[in-house]
Amino acid sequence: RKEVEQDPGPFNVPEGATVAFNCTYSNSASQSFFWYRQDCRKEPKLLMSVYSSGNEDGRFTAQLNRASQYISLLIRDSKLSDSATYLCVVGGGGGFKTIFGAGTRLFVKA
Amino acid sequence: GAVVSQHPSWVICKSGTSVKIECRSLDFQATTMFWYRQFPKQSLMLMATSNEGSKATYEQGVEKDKFLINHASLTLSTLTVTSAHPEDSSFYICSASADIAKNIQYFGAGTRLSVL
Repeated sequence: RKEVEQDPGPFNVPEGATVAFNCTYSNSASQSFFWYRQDCRKEPKLLMSVYSSGNEDGRFTAQLNRASQYISLLIRDSKLSDSATYLCVVGGGGGFKTIFGAGTRLFVKA
Repeated sequence: GAVVSQHPSWVICKSGTSVKIECRSLDFQATTMFWYRQFPKQSLMLMATSNEGSKATYEQGVEKDKFLINHASLTLSTLTVTSAHPEDSSFYICSASADIAKNIQYFGAGTRLSVL
């Protein structure tokens, strides 16, 4: 089993759609969780941290379920500019290795 | 957010030459920097973790003599690909953490290496 596993994608959605990304992780000791966005041939950029209480930033909502070792990212009212690869990132807390998921590619079409 | 500068952004070199890539944290001190490699359509793969003033920790399968890492200051880490070969052609990305406890990493723009 991969340490961090994401939906294989790609997701093709029309503008305005709601899209959900799922991610599971294998290390129950993991302590930090993030979603990064990576545009083609560019570096990953932090989209948002993920907390047990869930967090929302505009059209983006992230959830963490520690019991199921599952992270999700919901994008509402998709925009063309949301087209990118979304990376699920999991870490064990202070000074340990960060594991990146393989990413899920999103295409938002007009 | 914190800014990480990586240079050069693109390099083409002949097989057998060495290439140095620099990673700088511009507005914060980074005790820890990370070096990743990404092949097309694949995920980021951690190569090594670089701590200021000490030897880098390399991931399994990464040759430390081939990928030399120096982290001489709190704002600069370098990766030197020695005797590069075509199979080393890849996208190399560094990241730095301003607060390792929070584990948020800020990435450089990456270096696209093409070895002929």
